[in-house]
Amino acid sequence: NAGVMQNPRHLVRRRGQEARLRCSPMKGHSHVYWYRQLPEEGLKFMVYLQKENIIDESGMPKERFSAEFPKEGPSILRIQQVVRGDSAAYFCASSPRGTGAYEQYFGPGTRLTVT
Amino acid sequence: KNEVEQSPQNLTAQEGEFITINCSYSVGISALHWLQQHPGGGIVSLFMLSSGKKKHGRLIATINIQEKHSSLHITASHPRDSAVYICAEGAGGTSYGKLTFGQGTILTVHP
Repeated sequence: NAGVMQNPRHLVRRRGQEARLRCSPMKGHSHVYWYRQLPEEGLKFMVYLQKENIIDESGMPKERFSAEFPKEGPSILRIQQVVRGDSAAYFCASSPRGTGAYEQYFGPGTRLTVT
Repeated sequence: KNEVEQSPQNLTAQEGEFITINCSYSVGISALHWLQQHPGGGIVSLFMLSSGKKKHGRLIATINIQEKHSSLHITASHPRDSAVYICAEGAGGTSYGKLTFGQGTILTVHP
């Protein structure tokens, strides 16, 4: 049983470039959450998606950040025109249901470094 | 102010000691999650509980819904238990299960 997969594991971008982070949920899971962990800070919710739908994006910065979860393929977190403050670890988690009473399975994370 | 508070923030123990990490939350929840994160590593879900107590090996998690408080206990601690332990509340209803995390407790167990 493959767990949640994220790639790349490490990503280096220069200021102004675009970053694309991918997340493949566990088999049978159609609910994906993205979380961000800034250096020396705790984890924070960014966005919750189901297949082809963004359900809750209340944690996403208003500009430059977008997310999608197409019918086929992984969920994508896209950051346009990256800045140094975007350097962080980005984790996705998948769940069989979109409620707090179900376990979330985390991927290994993508460490984004903006130079 | 974070809605999920953990204590202590840092904890150092000698191998074999009994360890307790506490977590308080402020809103009604669907479940309380305990997670483990190793340095530079990913996140592993240890427990998810909405009432009572759960045990897995040397780890025990308890929750008191009335007091909005949960504890994670480690019996006979070992250096390999050194990690960051994070509690998170899983909200229900229109929050769709998104997790709100505590700041984490950094545990170091010395041999």
